[in-house]
Amino acid sequence: EVVMTQSPATLSVSPGERATLSCRASQSVSTNLAWYQQKPGQAPRLLIYGASTRATGIPARFSGSGSGTEFTLTISSLQSEDFAVYYCHQYNNWPPLTFGGGTKVEIK
Amino acid sequence: EVQLVESGGGLVQPGGSLRLSCAASGFILSNHWMHWVRQTPGKGLVWVSRINHDGSSTTYADSVKGRFTISRDNAKNTLYLQMDSLRAEDTAVYYCARVNSGYNDYWGQGTLVTVSS
Repeated sequence: EVVMTQSPATLSVSPGERATLSCRASQSVSTNLAWYQQKPGQAPRLLIYGASTRATGIPARFSGSGSGTEFTLTISSLQSEDFAVYYCHQYNNWPPLTFGGGTKVEIK
Repeated sequence: EVQLVESGGGLVQPGGSLRLSCAASGFILSNHWMHWVRQTPGKGLVWVSRINHDGSSTTYADSVKGRFTISRDNAKNTLYLQMDSLRAEDTAVYYCARVNSGYNDYWGQGTLVTVSS
């Protein structure tokens, strides 16, 4: 099973600042890595797939990078609606598909 | 507009059964594999099961293998999850999700399953 480790668990950021979230895989997942955003009481929403491709309708301030075992999600200038929990997800080696434990982005 | 709407959740005693449904609209269900993913209250996401386009191939997480059964009726645009021998640790919000090249591009709003006596 590929273990996905996200850091930090919580990130405190001021509106307008940059946020950098990390995701590490226990073995290579190539670029088969997605990022999701989840707000309280809502379903996850796809942000990034293929490690760096933005999903339809996702603002350009969200960007993804990385390959192999190290990945980054960057939010260039945090807006109020971006405060949420973010999950990475590998779909390269399965079963099982695996998710990271999440990073909560909160208002500083 | 792609929509996935889960139903069938509720309170069930340990050892009991529930059948979840996921009604799909806005796309051709038979063109997509589908997943069930669950989320324990306040915790992260855990993949449960997947099914291919026509239901001929299914895969399960070890934690539910032999107890849960995923199926689909493409004519009715509906995905199912039959859950038997339920345990307290199965308590979670269950999401159905559409698969696109391996990742989940659309998710339903979820249905809560609570296993408790």
